[in-house]
Formats: sequence, structure tokens, C-alpha cells
Amino acid sequence: DARVTQTPRDKVTEMGQEVTMRCQPILGHNTVFWYRQTMMQGLELLAYFRNRAPLDDSGMPKDRFSAEMPDATLATLKIQPSEPRDSAVYFCASGLAGSLAGYTFGSGTRLTVV
Amino acid sequence: GENVEQHPSTLSVQEGDSAVIKCTYSDSASNYFPWYKQELGKRPQLIIDIRSNVGEKKDQRIAVTLNKTAKHFSLHITETQPEDSAVYFCAAQRRISGNTPLVFGKGTRLSVIA
Repeated sequence: DARVTQTPRDKVTEMGQEVTMRCQPILGHNTVFWYRQTMMQGLELLAYFRNRAPLDDSGMPKDRFSAEMPDATLATLKIQPSEPRDSAVYFCASGLAGSLAGYTFGSGTRLTVV
Repeated sequence: GENVEQHPSTLSVQEGDSAVIKCTYSDSASNYFPWYKQELGKRPQLIIDIRSNVGEKKDQRIAVTLNKTAKHFSLHITETQPEDSAVYFCAAQRRISGNTPLVFGKGTRLSVIA
């Protein structure tokens, strides 16, 4: 089965440090989402890319978060500086626009900021 | 933008009974409605989806119905089993004709009691 690969699986960092999360979408997929999952807020959309172009990042705190797709095989989500309230599981999902197939989620990055 | 409401937030059923989860959406142009199942500590996995050109879709014990006029869609699980226990998320997107993101409901925690 084709998979969306996310690294790292777990990250513990101190407040104020930079955190970079990576996502490798399924080969050929041209749509990438970043979601943040917490118990209170569920799956919140942070960013949305199509053909590497950002289409929607309105859910992302712009002062500390940034999302990019340096190439079609890599999406990154950075937090600088990190804060304890950023502790959550961050999921990446990919799909092919216009296809009948659904979107596939990666296994997530569990971030803990202490 | 799209807003998805999901009810109930928790649901307990006896093994063998049916479970129904309901969602409403706000964007009348949304045309893609997937359902995801998330087991504890794992990623959301697509279990079934429906597009706005059909009113109902079935896959073994799982069915989804869509009422475009009322802007609501539902997940039906029959003959529930303990392994159906998980958090279920509905989502909506204007997938075919637009570049809108996939927006999720807050989730329903289903417990199937043996």
C-alpha cells in the first residue's frame, strides 16, 4: 500500500525551540493538507497545498508557523518559537485533485513542548 | 468557508445494535463527503465516502446517506462489533469544482459494549 510518511513520529522540545515536521506525500498526489489534532479542537486545518502552491493557510498562526513544499515529494511545517500550547498531534494528508480516490493520512507527529 | 457540525460527540451501543452519526454542512457547493475512523493512537483512515451525485452508498455493514437539500449526511453502522469502537469523523469539501480544503467535524467517540 502507498503511504504518506511523516517524520519524526514523536518530538519533545523545550519552549522557544524551532520544530520542523516533514511529510512525504504519496507519489503522484498533488494535494497536501496539514492538520493539528487536539482533544478539545479535533482536526484543525493548518495549511492546504495543490501542485505545491499554498491555497489556504488561514488556520495557521502566521507569527510562528510556516508551511512549505520545496518540491513535490516534501512538505514541511515549522514552528518557531514553539510554545506549550502547540503540543498536539500534527497530521499530513495527501490526495489527487479531481480523482475519485480519498485522501490518505500519515501516521502523524506527536509534538510535546515543555 | 465551510463549517461541519457533527452529532453526537459520544455514542454507546450494545454489540449487535446499529449506530448512527449525523453531520451537517454549510457550503451548498460542497460535493465530497468522506468518513474517517480513528483508533486510539493511530491515524484517521477513510472508511467510506459519498459524492453529491448519489444519495446513498453501502459497503457491507457501513452505509452513508446524503440529503443535499437539507445539507446533512449520516453514517450508519449495522450489527456493531467491539472493533467498531473508535472516533469517527465526517468531512466536507468542494472537491470537483473548487479549490477548497477538506473540513472536518469534531468527531464522535463510538463505544460498542460487548
